[in-house]
Amino acid sequence: DQQVKQNSPSLSVQEGRISILNCDYTNSMFDYFLWYKKYPAEGPTFLISISSIKDKNEDGRFTVFLNKSAKHLSLHIVPSQPGDSAVYFCAATRTDSWGKLQFGAGTQVVVTP
Amino acid sequence: NAGVTQTPKFQVLKTGQSMTLQCAQDMNHNSMYWYRQDPGMGLRLIYYSASEGTTDKGEVPNGYNVSRLNKREFSLRLESAAPSQTSVYFCASRSQAGLLGDQYFGPGTRLLVL
Repeated sequence: DQQVKQNSPSLSVQEGRISILNCDYTNSMFDYFLWYKKYPAEGPTFLISISSIKDKNEDGRFTVFLNKSAKHLSLHIVPSQPGDSAVYFCAATRTDSWGKLQFGAGTQVVVTP
Repeated sequence: NAGVTQTPKFQVLKTGQSMTLQCAQDMNHNSMYWYRQDPGMGLRLIYYSASEGTTDKGEVPNGYNVSRLNKREFSLRLESAAPSQTSVYFCASRSQAGLLGDQYFGPGTRLLVL
């Protein structure tokens, strides 16, 4: 049973516009959420995270929003750049679980000129 | 500073053959992890080692064994490979003193079982 879901397998966005990636989770025990970025033939790299005690975290062009009541988080990329074309994975964990991550299936983002 | 390295990069096995996937990190991290990635399913945790000398099962451990050889190295063994184990395998490491998000991943091993 997948506890972290990314329902959009792909997203196409024009360069300079906003990319919005969505993620839903079912386990209310998760208290820490992360986004990873993955290029082909490489391992995932950490992008940004948020604790359940916050509802927003920002790092440069990347902002993650958390809605605990809806068990939903989103990643905003503004402005989108061609180098952002990659697969983005949402992940969730409990802070007492030794870093064990539950991943969503990923969203392929393509940024077009 | 190579980060997390994995060998081999690619392997083809026949059903029933065995092999060991190697992983090493040079960041002095305490925790190490093995994940598999299948199409449409994201990454799933196979086994992890919270610290040197300990290993525990993750979400999908059946058909695998692991060894935390020392602080640097964490290997994954398939004793009798099955076509269902065709996947891309990622090793990761994390310093427990760091952010939860600081799991550093290797480049992956692509495994095909015929």
